[in-house]
Amino acid sequence: SQKIEQNSEALNIQEGKTATLTCNYTNYSPAYLQWYRQDPGRGPVFLLLIRENEKEKRKERLKVTFDTTLKQSLFHITASQPADSATYLCALMTTDSWGKLQFGAGTQVVVTP
Amino acid sequence: DVKVTQSSRYLVKRTGEKVFLECVQDMDHENMFWYRQDPGLGLRLIYFSYDVKMKEKGDIPEGYSVSREKKERFSLILESASTNQTSMYLCASSLFGTGGGNEQFFGPGTRLTVL
Repeated sequence: SQKIEQNSEALNIQEGKTATLTCNYTNYSPAYLQWYRQDPGRGPVFLLLIRENEKEKRKERLKVTFDTTLKQSLFHITASQPADSATYLCALMTTDSWGKLQFGAGTQVVVTP
Repeated sequence: DVKVTQSSRYLVKRTGEKVFLECVQDMDHENMFWYRQDPGLGLRLIYFSYDVKMKEKGDIPEGYSVSREKKERFSLILESASTNQTSMYLCASSLFGTGGGNEQFFGPGTRLTVL
């Protein structure tokens, strides 16, 4: 069966350091991989999208990599700030999915001053 | 500013009641989705719709139905609420098709408690 795995343990990191989150998947051939941010009690907010033929994508302090051989995406927050504290979700879409996403359970990031 | 709104932030219902959750989007999106989110399980798709009056089952449709009579509105119906349907319910919308990867825009969520 299809499976998406993200670290269930919270990532505690000091302000200014780089946070690195992992998203692993099995039994998928995703065309796109997306990352969302979710704050407590709110809906997820889209951050970045990366296509299967792209290795890396950047947006301000965020960087995403996509390795279809390893079936893994890494999400980096550089120069982390306390305001980056949230849960980060990865989501996969295949070309035949009609726009549906399959979400991972998310990893909580806590940035301390 | 694009927006997805949900009818209630918090809802408390009794077992056996019929429950309606409503979602409205103002982006003229074709796709609309209903998810539930539970700790450790992530977002699970209940139903989605790619057009008016069209609907497709998601991963966990049992105990739920949906209605989409207008493009901007997508309703989730719990025919007879049960305690195991206590959860956070999230509505989302996106453009149709997969050409652009189609980010989803989410509403604020409805926290439903069934007693």
